[in-house]
Amino acid sequence: ETGVTQTPRHLVMGMTNKKSLKCEQHLGHNAMYWYKQSAKKPLELMFVYNFKEQTENNSVPSRFSPECPNSSHLFLHLHTLQPEDSALYLCASSQDGRTGNSYTFGSGTRLTVV
Amino acid sequence: AQSVTQPDIHITVSEGASLELRCNYSYGATPYLFWYVQSPGQGLQLLLKYFSGDTLVQGIKGFEAEFKRSQSSFNLRKPSVHWSDAAEYFCAVGLISGGSYIPTFGRGTSLIVHP
Repeated sequence: ETGVTQTPRHLVMGMTNKKSLKCEQHLGHNAMYWYKQSAKKPLELMFVYNFKEQTENNSVPSRFSPECPNSSHLFLHLHTLQPEDSALYLCASSQDGRTGNSYTFGSGTRLTVV
Repeated sequence: AQSVTQPDIHITVSEGASLELRCNYSYGATPYLFWYVQSPGQGLQLLLKYFSGDTLVQGIKGFEAEFKRSQSSFNLRKPSVHWSDAAEYFCAVGLISGGSYIPTFGRGTSLIVHP
């Protein structure tokens, strides 16, 4: 399998639930990113990992907790979310976090918080 | 801080007509510039990118973009639009911040294609 794969594609969760989003890339990239895409808003960068180290946290609430166990996998752990957190969550990867070349997106996880 | 402006929220064209989507950026130096396309329910696909060199960049699906430093613009063009081009288009600026590459996206332009 090639490219950037995100699972699940769709997720519905209650405000008291705990769930995780998964992202996996088979491109040999060393940088991975989480983005939030809400309706009528620009893409919001949430987190950047470069060689497994978090290098950017864009003032994201603590109810979102990222994890990057290796350069191929990125998780976003969710707990006690709010309805306004409903959005499309996109994962991306690039060759490294310094050049941004070959920046590839996954298809996203559509999250609905009820 | 850098910013990206896509002044058109929606653009409607007829199939076969030419297309130009506007993008302006605000940044002190020449940034990396990108155009992405997003079909409904999908992630973003890279159409083309500009790092340096020739200011007219060719991309996939028959798209091209021209970097104009004097106007801080990177407009996307296609000479003849196909119905399958209907999608959301995003312009992005990339720069290095704190050792990491940080792309900043515009709000997007929704392209509607009439038969």
